Amino acid sequence: ETGVTQTPRHLVMGMTNKKSLKCEQHLGHNAMYWYKQSAKKPLELMFVYNFKEQTENNSVPSRFSPECPNSSHLFLHLHTLQPEDSALYLCASSQDSGATEAFFGQGTRLTVV
Amino acid sequence: GESVGLHLPTLSVQEGDNSIINCAYSNSASDYFIWYKQESGKGPQFIIDIRSNMDKRQGQRVTVLLNKTVKHLSLQIAATQPGDSAVYFCAENLRAGNMLTFGGGTRLMVKP
Repeated sequence: ETGVTQTPRHLVMGMTNKKSLKCEQHLGHNAMYWYKQSAKKPLELMFVYNFKEQTENNSVPSRFSPECPNSSHLFLHLHTLQPEDSALYLCASSQDSGATEAFFGQGTRLTVV
Repeated sequence: GESVGLHLPTLSVQEGDNSIINCAYSNSASDYFIWYKQESGKGPQFIIDIRSNMDKRQGQRVTVLLNKTVKHLSLQIAATQPGDSAVYFCAENLRAGNMLTFGGGTRLMVKP
């Protein structure tokens, strides 16, 4: 266990559904990240939060909406997704956003039907 | 955590042999380079990092080499074990940008 917990592990949703992915860390880290890992591309950074403030949005479509209520929790709200959004969504945390060692959760396998 | 369907270069080695996994990077301004290991069903796990002002760093059974002239990074695993079977990613951290950028990954398969 890395100390980063993601729920759910698997999610199947329709294109009109609204769902949320949750990530939680109790490592005392100040930076949290969302990554997308798909069959067609390697790990892609989506969002970075540092001390609860969003510092990076890597040109992610607005159908993905992140939320970071505190340094320990990170959410990814999903709505009107497309089948090509099916992927493994990984959450990570690090001491701060300049750290090289990031701790990853096991990911949420998302399938959009 | 598997990269299912992604065409990854594969390195197949015999148990006990040494493995060398290579990575090319593009950003000469990157400050740190990092190797991650991703086993099936898991998220990536930090292995070792190296700062841009170094050319070699050793860990337990692993060595990372950095050649800035040709923008090349390698991970050497000594006495490869079945538990080393995984996908290995290199990543770079441009400190000014404060985020990790990952390479495409290499699948290491260890034959018993």
